Amino acid sequence: DAGITQSPRYKITETGRQVTLMCHQTWSHSYMFWYRQDLGHGLRLIYYSAAADITDKGEVPDGYVVSRSKTENFPLTLESATRSQTSVYFCASSEQGDLLTEAFFGQGTRLTVV
Amino acid sequence: EDKVVQSPLSLVVHEGDTVTLNCSYEVTNFRSLLWYKQEKKAPTFLFMLTSSGIEKKSGRLSSILDKKELFSILNITATQTGDSAVYLCAVTYRPGSARQLTFGSGTQLTVLP
Repeated sequence: DAGITQSPRYKITETGRQVTLMCHQTWSHSYMFWYRQDLGHGLRLIYYSAAADITDKGEVPDGYVVSRSKTENFPLTLESATRSQTSVYFCASSEQGDLLTEAFFGQGTRLTVV
Repeated sequence: EDKVVQSPLSLVVHEGDTVTLNCSYEVTNFRSLLWYKQEKKAPTFLFMLTSSGIEKKSGRLSSILDKKELFSILNITATQTGDSAVYLCAVTYRPGSARQLTFGSGTQLTVLP
Protein backbone atom coordinates (compact mmCIF):
# COMPACT_ATOMS: atom_id res chain seq x y z
CA ASP A 1 0.00 0.00 0.00
CA ALA A 2 1.22 3.47 -0.83
CA GLY A 3 1.87 5.76 2.05
CA ILE A 4 4.05 6.30 5.04
CA THR A 5 4.12 3.80 7.85
CA GLN A 6 5.71 3.83 11.27
CA SER A 7 6.50 0.93 13.52
CA PRO A 8 5.94 0.10 16.23
CA ARG A 9 2.79 2.06 17.06
CA TYR A 10 3.39 1.70 20.77
CA LYS A 11 6.58 0.97 22.68
CA ILE A 12 7.50 0.78 26.34
CA THR A 13 11.17 0.64 27.13
CA GLU A 14 13.42 1.02 30.14
CA THR A 15 15.77 3.87 30.85
CA GLY A 16 19.16 3.27 29.29
CA ARG A 17 18.00 0.90 26.58
CA GLN A 18 18.48 1.52 22.89
CA VAL A 19 15.31 1.68 20.85
CA THR A 20 14.75 2.22 17.14
CA LEU A 21 11.62 3.63 15.58
CA MET A 22 11.06 2.75 11.97
CA CYS A 23 9.63 4.85 9.17
CA HIS A 24 8.96 3.72 5.62
CA GLN A 25 7.47 5.68 2.71
CA THR A 26 6.50 4.45 -0.75
CA TRP A 27 6.37 7.73 -2.69
CA SER A 28 10.13 8.13 -3.16
CA HIS A 29 9.90 11.55 -1.55
CA SER A 30 13.31 13.09 -1.16
CA TYR A 31 12.66 14.69 2.23
CA MET A 32 11.87 12.85 5.43
CA PHE A 33 11.42 14.21 8.92
CA TRP A 34 11.18 13.04 12.51
CA TYR A 35 9.15 15.06 15.00
CA ARG A 36 8.27 14.62 18.62
CA GLN A 37 5.05 15.97 20.02
CA ASP A 38 4.65 16.85 23.65
CA LEU A 39 1.85 18.72 25.36
CA GLY A 40 2.40 22.44 25.04
CA HIS A 41 5.21 22.15 22.49
CA GLY A 42 3.52 21.28 19.25
CA LEU A 43 5.64 19.34 16.75
CA ARG A 44 9.36 19.78 17.25
CA LEU A 45 11.77 18.68 14.58
CA ILE A 46 14.38 16.17 15.71
CA TYR A 47 16.18 15.35 12.46
CA TYR A 48 15.48 15.55 8.80
CA SER A 49 16.93 14.15 5.63
CA ALA A 50 16.99 15.81 2.21
CA ALA A 51 18.02 12.64 0.37
CA ALA A 52 19.62 9.26 0.94
CA ASP A 53 22.83 9.62 2.97
CA ILE A 54 22.05 13.27 3.77
CA THR A 55 20.76 14.05 7.25
CA ASP A 56 20.73 17.14 9.40
CA LYS A 57 19.76 18.21 12.87
CA GLY A 58 16.52 19.87 13.72
CA GLU A 59 15.48 21.72 16.84
CA VAL A 60 15.88 18.92 19.42
CA PRO A 61 18.45 16.35 18.16
CA ASP A 62 20.24 15.49 21.41
CA GLY A 63 19.96 11.82 22.36
CA TYR A 64 18.83 10.71 18.90
CA VAL A 65 20.59 9.23 15.90
CA VAL A 66 19.24 8.81 12.36
CA SER A 67 20.38 7.19 9.17
CA ARG A 68 19.08 7.09 5.63
CA SER A 69 20.81 4.45 3.56
CA LYS A 70 17.73 4.05 1.32
CA THR A 71 15.35 6.75 0.12
CA GLU A 72 12.31 4.97 1.52
CA ASN A 73 13.52 4.35 5.08
CA PHE A 74 14.43 6.78 7.84
CA PRO A 75 14.92 5.05 11.20
CA LEU A 76 15.27 7.01 14.41
CA THR A 77 17.37 5.54 17.22
CA LEU A 78 17.41 6.54 20.85
CA GLU A 79 20.84 5.38 21.89
CA SER A 80 20.16 5.36 25.64
CA ALA A 81 16.54 6.17 26.35
CA THR A 82 15.66 8.66 29.06
CA ARG A 83 12.31 9.45 30.65
CA SER A 84 12.36 12.87 29.00
CA GLN A 85 12.14 11.08 25.66
CA THR A 86 8.69 9.78 26.50
CA SER A 87 6.64 11.31 23.71
CA VAL A 88 4.68 10.70 20.55
CA TYR A 89 6.96 10.51 17.54
CA PHE A 90 5.82 11.34 14.03
CA CYS A 91 7.63 10.63 10.82
CA ALA A 92 6.79 12.65 7.71
CA SER A 93 7.87 12.85 4.08
CA SER A 94 7.51 15.41 1.33
CA GLU A 95 8.95 16.73 -1.89
CA GLN A 96 10.60 20.11 -1.52
CA GLY A 97 12.51 20.47 -4.73
CA ASP A 98 11.01 21.86 -7.94
CA LEU A 99 7.94 19.84 -7.06
CA LEU A 100 6.67 21.04 -3.70
CA THR A 101 4.21 18.88 -1.83
CA GLU A 102 2.78 19.03 1.61
CA ALA A 103 4.24 16.80 4.29
CA PHE A 104 2.55 13.45 4.72
CA PHE A 105 2.59 11.99 8.21
CA GLY A 106 2.81 8.50 9.57
CA GLN A 107 0.37 7.44 12.28
CA GLY A 108 2.83 8.06 15.06
CA THR A 109 4.67 5.98 17.65
CA ARG A 110 3.82 6.44 21.29
CA LEU A 111 7.00 5.79 23.24
CA THR A 112 7.06 5.46 26.99
CA VAL A 113 10.37 5.27 28.82
CA VAL A 114 10.07 3.88 32.34
CA GLU B 1 15.95 32.90 15.16
CA ASP B 2 13.11 31.61 13.01
CA LYS B 3 9.68 31.70 14.65
CA VAL B 4 6.22 30.42 13.81
CA VAL B 5 3.65 31.71 16.28
CA GLN B 6 0.01 30.73 16.40
CA SER B 7 -2.77 32.48 18.22
CA PRO B 8 -4.87 32.01 20.13
CA LEU B 9 -3.46 28.97 21.91
CA SER B 10 -6.97 27.74 22.59
CA LEU B 11 -10.45 28.73 21.64
CA VAL B 12 -13.89 27.53 22.74
CA VAL B 13 -16.91 28.34 20.59
CA HIS B 14 -20.42 27.07 20.00
CA GLU B 15 -21.66 25.33 16.92
CA GLY B 16 -22.47 27.78 14.15
CA ASP B 17 -19.88 30.33 15.20
CA THR B 18 -17.17 31.57 12.83
CA VAL B 19 -13.56 31.38 14.00
CA THR B 20 -10.33 32.90 12.77
CA LEU B 21 -7.02 31.28 13.63
CA ASN B 22 -3.78 33.19 13.20
CA CYS B 23 -0.28 32.17 12.22
CA SER B 24 2.59 34.65 12.04
CA TYR B 25 6.10 33.82 10.99
CA GLU B 26 9.56 35.29 10.99
CA VAL B 27 11.77 33.09 8.87
CA THR B 28 14.48 33.40 6.30
CA ASN B 29 14.15 31.67 2.93
CA PHE B 30 10.39 31.27 3.26
CA ARG B 31 8.78 29.13 0.60
CA SER B 32 5.28 28.13 1.66
CA LEU B 33 2.91 27.95 4.61
CA LEU B 34 0.89 24.86 5.42
CA TRP B 35 -2.16 24.33 7.58
CA TYR B 36 -2.95 21.00 9.23
CA LYS B 37 -5.76 19.67 11.38
CA GLN B 38 -4.86 17.23 14.13
CA GLU B 39 -7.35 15.17 16.05
CA LYS B 40 -6.09 12.38 18.27
CA LYS B 41 -3.84 11.03 15.56
CA ALA B 42 -1.50 12.22 12.82
CA PRO B 43 -1.95 15.70 11.33
CA THR B 44 -4.02 15.87 8.18
CA PHE B 45 -3.29 18.41 5.49
CA LEU B 46 -5.64 21.32 4.85
CA PHE B 47 -3.95 23.98 2.72
CA MET B 48 -0.68 25.02 1.19
CA LEU B 49 -0.18 28.74 0.56
CA THR B 50 2.65 30.16 -1.49
CA SER B 51 1.32 33.44 -2.87
CA SER B 52 -0.04 36.45 -1.08
CA GLY B 53 -3.68 37.38 -1.38
CA ILE B 54 -4.91 34.19 -3.02
CA GLU B 55 -7.55 32.54 -0.89
CA LYS B 56 -7.63 28.79 -0.65
CA LYS B 57 -11.04 27.36 0.13
CA SER B 58 -12.38 23.95 1.00
CA GLY B 59 -15.99 23.81 2.14
CA ARG B 60 -16.35 25.85 5.29
CA LEU B 61 -12.60 26.34 5.65
CA SER B 62 -10.59 29.02 3.93
CA SER B 63 -7.13 30.46 4.31
CA ILE B 64 -5.07 33.32 3.01
CA LEU B 65 -1.45 34.39 3.20
CA ASP B 66 0.04 37.85 3.54
CA LYS B 67 3.74 37.67 2.67
CA LYS B 68 4.28 41.34 3.30
CA GLU B 69 2.97 41.25 6.86
CA LEU B 70 4.17 37.66 7.37
CA PHE B 71 1.00 36.01 8.54
CA SER B 72 -1.77 33.69 7.52
CA ILE B 73 -5.29 33.17 8.78
CA LEU B 74 -7.48 30.11 8.76
CA ASN B 75 -11.21 30.78 8.82
CA ILE B 76 -13.85 28.24 9.70
CA THR B 77 -17.46 29.27 9.19
CA ALA B 78 -20.54 27.60 10.65
CA THR B 79 -18.40 25.51 12.97
CA GLN B 80 -19.41 21.97 13.87
CA THR B 81 -18.37 19.74 16.76
CA GLY B 82 -16.32 17.75 14.26
CA ASP B 83 -14.12 20.79 13.76
CA SER B 84 -12.78 20.35 17.30
CA ALA B 85 -9.07 19.68 16.89
CA VAL B 86 -5.64 21.23 17.11
CA TYR B 87 -4.88 23.35 14.08
CA LEU B 88 -1.22 23.56 13.16
CA CYS B 89 0.57 25.84 10.79
CA ALA B 90 4.02 25.19 9.41
CA VAL B 91 6.47 26.90 7.08
CA THR B 92 8.68 25.34 4.46
CA TYR B 93 11.97 26.74 3.28
CA ARG B 94 13.73 26.99 -0.02
CA PRO B 95 15.94 24.00 -0.86
CA GLY B 96 19.38 24.27 0.66
CA SER B 97 18.18 26.27 3.66
CA ALA B 98 19.55 25.43 7.05
CA ARG B 99 16.07 25.05 8.48
CA GLN B 100 13.23 22.82 7.40
CA LEU B 101 9.53 22.27 7.91
CA THR B 102 8.88 24.17 11.15
CA PHE B 103 5.60 24.07 13.05
CA GLY B 104 3.90 26.47 15.39
CA SER B 105 2.59 25.15 18.69
CA GLY B 106 -0.98 24.96 17.43
CA THR B 107 -4.41 26.30 18.32
CA GLN B 108 -6.71 24.00 20.26
CA LEU B 109 -10.24 24.58 18.96
CA THR B 110 -13.18 23.22 20.91
CA VAL B 111 -16.64 23.49 19.38
CA LEU B 112 -19.47 22.94 21.83
CA PRO B 113 -22.89 21.70 20.71
